Amino acid sequence: GENVEQHPSTLSVQEGDSAVIKCTYSDSASNYFPWYKQELGKGPQLIIDIRSNVGEKKDQRIAVTLNKTAKHFSLHITETQPEDSAVYFCAASNGASKIIFGSGTRLSIRP
Amino acid sequence: NAGVTQTPKFQVLKTGQSMTLQCAQDMNHEYMSWYRQDPGMGLRLIHYSVGAGITDQGEVPNGYNVSRSTTEDFPLRLLSAAPSQTSVYFCASSYQDPAETQYFGPGTRLLVL
Repeated sequence: GENVEQHPSTLSVQEGDSAVIKCTYSDSASNYFPWYKQELGKGPQLIIDIRSNVGEKKDQRIAVTLNKTAKHFSLHITETQPEDSAVYFCAASNGASKIIFGSGTRLSIRP
Repeated sequence: NAGVTQTPKFQVLKTGQSMTLQCAQDMNHEYMSWYRQDPGMGLRLIHYSVGAGITDQGEVPNGYNVSRSTTEDFPLRLLSAAPSQTSVYFCASSYQDPAETQYFGPGTRLLVL
């Protein structure tokens, strides 16, 4: 079945440095790749997404890249700030019926 | 708009008991889904619905039932609770299909003893 693998499971970076989270997907029909941020005690919230006809998308300090050939996509956060500390999930969907999430990355920003 | 609401926020059950987790959205979304979140396992899809009267199984459907009699409501039923169902449950909705922004509820924390 469809599978999304996410690495690393935990990540600690110095404030101001960059953070990168990587995901791979198995379903070659996947065409939508969102990233969600989950703060403590809350539900996940979309922060950025990319579709398969685009290789890269940027929104201020956040960017996502997609390599369809290798079936992997990555989240890049630059100039990290304390409020970036959270759990991040990648996901993949073929738009037909399901969206499958990765196992999550706990990002900690060290002051 | 209240968005996606879930009740209760927290529940303790004994093994073998049944209960219903409620989920409602007021955004006229067609697609709704239930996930469970366990440490190190991410968000796993339990059941989903593409519209009123239509439901289907996700990755981990065993032990759970759903129905979708209205666009707004998508309850999740635990038929006979087991300790393995201890988890945090999230309901989510989107306008039409899974390849769109998913709006998540605040979650229900369930403990089965």
